[in-house]
Amino acid sequence: EIVMVQSPATLSVSPGERATLSCRASQSISSNLAWYQHKPGQAPRLLIYGAFTRAAGIPARFSGSGSGTEFTLTISSLQSEDFAVYYCQQYSNWPPLTFGGGTKVEIK
Amino acid sequence: QLQVQESGPGLVKPSETLSLTCNVSGASISSSDYYWAWIRQPPGKGLEWIGSVYYRGNKYSNPSLRSRGTISVDTSKNQFFLRLTSVTAADTAVYYCATHPRQMATITAWGQGTLVTVSS
Repeated sequence: EIVMVQSPATLSVSPGERATLSCRASQSISSNLAWYQHKPGQAPRLLIYGAFTRAAGIPARFSGSGSGTEFTLTISSLQSEDFAVYYCQQYSNWPPLTFGGGTKVEIK
Repeated sequence: QLQVQESGPGLVKPSETLSLTCNVSGASISSSDYYWAWIRQPPGKGLEWIGSVYYRGNKYSNPSLRSRGTISVDTSKNQFFLRLTSVTAADTAVYYCATHPRQMATITAWGQGTLVTVSS
């Protein structure tokens, strides 16, 4: 099973600032990585797939990078609606599909 | 637009079987393009993939469930199902039904989620 580890667990950021979230895989997953945004009481939303391709309708302030075992999600200028929990997920080698533990982006 | 929505009891007794239904709209569950999946989130914890099923019957489950979980499809009703046997308090979670493309297992549609509590 490929283990996904996200850091930090919590990120405190002021609106308008840049947020950088990390995700590490226990073995190489090439670019088979997705990012999701999850707000309380809502369904998660796919942001990024293929490590860097934005899903339909996702604003350009969200960008993904990385390959192999190290990945980053960057939110260039945080808006109020961006405060949420973010999860990475690998789909390189499944079953099982595995998620990271999440990074909560909170208002500083 | 493809949509999925879960339904089922919100309370299940320990040692009993949890059963959930997912209604699919906007696409045929017999489509060769999709897998149909269940994912859960225990309170205060992260997301856990339970399993995925293809309309032809190909099934994949998370080994962590130790064969307690079964996902099945009813093509006539455009629904799919989750059965989780011998539940304990550790199975208390919000359960999401979801879908991912056959060729790339990113979750492209999620239900709103349903909270299932295991308690006597």
